[in-house]
Parts: sequence; C-alpha cells; structure tokens
Amino acid sequence: NAGVTQTPKFRILKIGQSMTLQCTQDMNHNYMYWYRQDPGMGLKLIYYSVGAGITDKGEVPNGYNVSRSTTEDFPLRLELAAPSQTSVYFCASRLVFRSSYEQYFGPGTRLTVT
Amino acid sequence: TQLLEQSPQFLSIQEGENLTVYCNSSSVFSSLQWYRQEPGEGPVLLVTVVTGGEVKKLKRLTFQFGDARKDSSLHITAAQPGDTGLYLCAGTSGGTSYGKLTFGQGTILTVHP
Repeated sequence: NAGVTQTPKFRILKIGQSMTLQCTQDMNHNYMYWYRQDPGMGLKLIYYSVGAGITDKGEVPNGYNVSRSTTEDFPLRLELAAPSQTSVYFCASRLVFRSSYEQYFGPGTRLTVT
Repeated sequence: TQLLEQSPQFLSIQEGENLTVYCNSSSVFSSLQWYRQEPGEGPVLLVTVVTGGEVKKLKRLTFQFGDARKDSSLHITAAQPGDTGLYLCAGTSGGTSYGKLTFGQGTILTVHP
C-alpha cells in the first residue's frame, strides 16, 4: 500500500512553460485535493474532487486545471507558468466514512518557476 | 472566508520545557485537526477534535477544542528533540464542505538537546 504518491519531486520551469503534476492514491479514497504551501503561509486549497468526473475550485484555482478520470488519479495542470506559482504542491486524499476526517498527504512536488 | 490564526509562528525551546500552540478563529468549525509536518514530507494527522470542550491526549501531547468550537490548543509536556517540526492546525466546516480544510499558518517548533 503506497498511499498517496506524487511525481515529480522537484521541477524547475521557465516562465510560460506548462507541466502536469501527477498524483495517484491506492487507498480507493473518493475525495482528493490539491494544495500549495508557501513559506509561512500554511496550505491553501487549489482544487478538489469528490469522485471520478467531479471537480471543483478551491481557494486559489487561478492558473491551474484538474481532471479526475479515475478514482486513483488526480493530475494538476499548470498552463503558462508564472513566478507566483513557485511553491510546494501537495496532493491529499480522504475516505468519506462516518466521522473520518483524516486527509492523507503525498510527499509533495517542489516547483520553481524562473 | 474562514481564517485560522496560529500562534506563535516560531518556537525555540530547550529539551524538557513545556509549550503551548494556539489556533484561533472567529468562525465555528465542525472539526479541528492538528497535523505535524517534517521537512520534505507531507503533513501527517496527529488528532481530530469534533466536540466543543473536548480534550484528547496523545502521550505527551494534549489537544483541546474550545467550547464554542472556534479555537484549539496543542500543549506539549517535557518537549524532546524528536518533537521538532512544523505543527499545523486545520478546520473543516460541516454540511457540503466536502471535508475541505482551512489551514493555519503553522508553528515551527525547534527543541534543542
């Protein structure tokens, strides 16, 4: 059971380039989330999904896109990268079951846009 | 927009000391979670509190949820170097929030031997 896996771990992009951050979970969790973490700012929600084919915006969605074609995968797409998108990106998943609130996080992708 | 204010932002103490981290909001949360994050890793859940006034203990860590469910605290007794890390509080609203978490800014704890 690998939990939540993210690739790549590190990436440097030039301004205007695009990339996809991959996220996969093998726990059969129905809810998945993308966060970004800036120094001293905690985590902010970018997008989330409550199941395959269903996604919605979080607090800071501008400049990002997501898709969820399977339960396991929830990729995050950056189009036209900007320096403001330099951050650490975390994917998380959650099993909706009674009072279970725990989110399981991946190890993160550190992205630098120069 | 719900906000969680976490304090202090930085805490540097000697091994054996006690400490308290606070998490405050003007909003009511249906649950409050505390996560710990090590460098280069994602946050890991320590505890969830859901009832106003609830107190939970995890070895030397004591978590409290305020009576009005607007604030929470984390108290560590006799801190050890292994407690060093980033501590994050996160709240979730009920209803159709889909478990979305609002995070505080985090507290960076350093425990010196």
